[in-house]
Amino acid sequence: KNEVEQSPQNLTAQEGEFITINCSYSVGISALHWLQQHPGGGIVSLFMLSSGKKKHGRLIATINIQEKHSSLHITASHPRDSAVYICAVWGGADGLTFGKGTHLIIQP
Amino acid sequence: EPEVTQTPSHQVTQMGQEVILRCVPISNHLYFYWYRQILGQKVEFLVSFYNNEISEKSEIFDDQFSVERPDGSNFTLKIRSTKLEDSAMYFCASTRESSYNSPLHFGNGTRLTVT
Repeated sequence: KNEVEQSPQNLTAQEGEFITINCSYSVGISALHWLQQHPGGGIVSLFMLSSGKKKHGRLIATINIQEKHSSLHITASHPRDSAVYICAVWGGADGLTFGKGTHLIIQP
Repeated sequence: EPEVTQTPSHQVTQMGQEVILRCVPISNHLYFYWYRQILGQKVEFLVSFYNNEISEKSEIFDDQFSVERPDGSNFTLKIRSTKLEDSAMYFCASTRESSYNSPLHFGNGTRLTVT
């Protein structure tokens, strides 16, 4: 069974800072998802990656399949980016395996 | 933009009672999922459903749980005899293709409280 580790668990930063959230997994995968969970509980899909790099607005996600590692970057962070960011990996018959999430707070 | 909708948003039930959680996936999506998140813990996979049958299920998804797509639009999760430890947020999700090559669309969740 895949083990998904995220770091850091908690991150507080000032508005405008460049943010990096890391995700490592133990078993090779077909795809990795980055998700955003808002304080009310709702979950939004940010990226689905199987290789390389994707960019959407101020968000950038990268994955290194050989190293079993992915990063989520936020440029010019803003208080509205405050949320829990979750990494999840597709493991076939195990469905998606989720990380515990990174609690991000961006202070004005 | 089309959304996954879940009802109710909050359900309170007594231990031993049956509950049915409802989801309406995005209309042209083919794969459907249930996940749960116990308060303060990580999201866990319960079950995936494709072509009117379960395609994968986790160890959590025991005989107390069942899923159904009764009418081509609704996708339901039934818990036959609820236990205190079933209290959690339950999320429905759907994808156009399998989630190894398609982004997930989540509903807003149903918060189940078992007393």
